[in-house]
Amino acid sequence: VQLVESGGGLVQPGGSLRLSCDASGFTFSSYTMNWVRQAPGKGLEWVSYISSSSNTISYADSVKGRFTISRDNAKNSLYLQMNSLRAEDTAVYYCARRWLSIDYWGQGTLVTVSS
Amino acid sequence: NFMLTQPHSVSESPGKTVTISCTGSSGSIASNYVQWYQQRPGSAPTNVIYEDNQRPSGVPDRFSGSIDSSSNSASLTISGLKTEDEADYYCQSYDNNSHVVFGGGTKLTVL
Repeated sequence: VQLVESGGGLVQPGGSLRLSCDASGFTFSSYTMNWVRQAPGKGLEWVSYISSSSNTISYADSVKGRFTISRDNAKNSLYLQMNSLRAEDTAVYYCARRWLSIDYWGQGTLVTVSS
Repeated sequence: NFMLTQPHSVSESPGKTVTISCTGSSGSIASNYVQWYQQRPGSAPTNVIYEDNQRPSGVPDRFSGSIDSSSNSASLTISGLKTEDEADYYCQSYDNNSHVVFGGGTKLTVL
């Protein structure tokens, strides 16, 4: 199982960024996927999940209305569109596999929101 | 909102046994599975216990998990401590909305 995130970087407050997670080594289309973030020096915070067929999507209250999760099972890829970014969104964003009981994590991509 | 509370830090000597607790704020922690993750500095988390007390392949049997319904808490016990066990440990479960919930994390120091 391999999960590789990309798309992080420095963005100004109010800006947008799209994260990607490329999956390999398992049947991607069979698994619910999550985004989890970790602010510098802080703990883990669940952000969003999407079911295997994209039928069920849920967000943490802290990102609802600003972030959109999606997936492309043909490309074995997971995405997170982040709009209206705030300083408090600064974190390492991890792609993580499996519903409710996460079993594999990517290495993460750093998003820094600063002017 | 459902929360999981962990001690901020614990420390113990090599070769000893340490237990990290994870207490649920409401309901019964036994109702939903608890997972435990180890995170070394600069690295992504890795699963050391899933479904309360199951070890993923490759995790030594020095790691064990349990549930205590009387205290509404889960515990991670590491026996025969090694310096390589020094890391942050997070418990994880989920709430009635099927939202993943993490504990605040416990820094384990092996000295």
